Amino acid sequence: NAGVTQTPKFQVLKTGQSMTLQCAQDMNHNSMYWYRQDPGMGLRLIYYSASEGTTDKGEVPNGYNVSRLNKREFSLRLESAAPSQTSVYFCASRGGTGSPYEQYFGPGTRLTVT
Amino acid sequence: ILNVEQSPQSLHVQEGDSTNFTCSFPSSNFYALHWYRWETAKSPEALFVMTLNGDEKKKGRISATLNTKEGYSYLYIKGSQPEDSATYLCAFNSNSGYALNFGKGTSLLVTP
Repeated sequence: NAGVTQTPKFQVLKTGQSMTLQCAQDMNHNSMYWYRQDPGMGLRLIYYSASEGTTDKGEVPNGYNVSRLNKREFSLRLESAAPSQTSVYFCASRGGTGSPYEQYFGPGTRLTVT
Repeated sequence: ILNVEQSPQSLHVQEGDSTNFTCSFPSSNFYALHWYRWETAKSPEALFVMTLNGDEKKKGRISATLNTKEGYSYLYIKGSQPEDSATYLCAFNSNSGYALNFGKGTSLLVTP
C-alpha cells in the first residue's frame, strides 16, 4: 500500500516548455487534489476532482490543466511553463463522497522554471 | 476563496513548554475542520478532523478544540519536544464542496 505517489520528484523546465505531473493513489479514494506550495503562501488549491470523471478549478487554476484518467490517477499539465510556476506541487486524495475524511498527501514535486 | 487565518505565524518555545495556536474560519456553512502537521521536506500528515461544535480530540501530547459558532479552533501541545518542531496547518471544509481551504500555518520551533 504505497498511499499517494507522485512523479517526478524534481524537474527543471525552461520557460515555454510543457510537462505533466503524475499522481496515483491506491486507497480507492474518490477525491483527488493538486496544490502548490510557495513560501509565505501556504497550500493553494489548483484543481480538484471530487470523483472519477469530474474536475473543478481551485484557487489558482490559470496556466494548468488536469485529467482524472481513472479513479487512481490524476495528472496536472503545464502547457507552457512560466517562472511564476516555480513551486512545490503536492497531490492529495481523500476517501468517501461528502464525508469529512482526512486528506493524504504525496511526497511532492519540486519544479523550477528558468 | 474562504478565509482561514492562523496565528501566530511562528512560535519558538523551549523544550517542556506547553503552547497553543489558533485557527479562525468562517462560522457559516461549516462541515469540518482539519489539523495537519507538516515537517520540513515531508508531506503534511493529518492530526485531527473535527465536525461537531465542542469537539475535543487528543493524540498523545497534542489536543484540539473546536468552536463552530464563533469560528475558531485551538491546537494545544503539552510539554513540547524538539520533535514537535513543524508547521501546523488547519483547513476548513465548507458544506458546499469537497475542497479544503488551508491557512498559512503556524511554524513551531522547539529548542532543547
